[in-house]
Amino acid sequence: DIHMTQSPSSLSASVGDRVTIICRASQSISNYLNWYQQKPGKAPKLLISTASSLQSGAPSRFSGSGSGTDFTLTINSLQPEDFATYYCQQSHSTPITFGQGTRLEIE
Amino acid sequence: ELQVVESGGDLVHPGGSLRLSCAASGFIFSSYWMHWVRQAPGKGLVWVSRIDSEGSRTTYADSVKGRFTISRDNAKNTVFLQMNSLRTEDTAVYYCVRAVRELYFDYWGQGALVTVSS
Repeated sequence: DIHMTQSPSSLSASVGDRVTIICRASQSISNYLNWYQQKPGKAPKLLISTASSLQSGAPSRFSGSGSGTDFTLTINSLQPEDFATYYCQQSHSTPITFGQGTRLEIE
Repeated sequence: ELQVVESGGDLVHPGGSLRLSCAASGFIFSSYWMHWVRQAPGKGLVWVSRIDSEGSRTTYADSVKGRFTISRDNAKNTVFLQMNSLRTEDTAVYYCVRAVRELYFDYWGQGALVTVSS
């Protein structure tokens, strides 16, 4: 199984900050990496697919990069609605696996 | 409007069975693979199972293999998850998810809560 590790597990930041979340795969997954945002009591929402493709409707302050084993999700100029939990997910092979999540909190 | 709506969540005793349903609308259901993903209370996302667009190929996480069965009825735009021999560790919100070309999950249902407890 491919193990996905996110860092940090939690992060405190302020409105207007730029934050970066890292996701590392236990083996190369090319660009088969997606990012999701989840707010309490809600289903996850797709933000970024195939490492760097911003989904329709997702704000342009979100961006993704990386390939192989190392990936990043960057949020420029944090907005109040961005405080949530973020998950990376690999779709390179089954079982499909997710990172443990990064909880982004208001500082 | 594209929607996936789960139903069938309930409280069940250990060793019991439950069937979840997921009704899809607003897209050509028979063209998409469908998945189930679960989330235990306060925990992260865990992939459970998938089924191809025709219903002929299925894959399962090791933790549910032999106990859970995924199926679909393309005439009724519905995917199912039959869960047998339920354990307390199966307690979770179960999400029905649409997959795009098996690359990413673009639409998620609101989730169905399954509680396994005596």
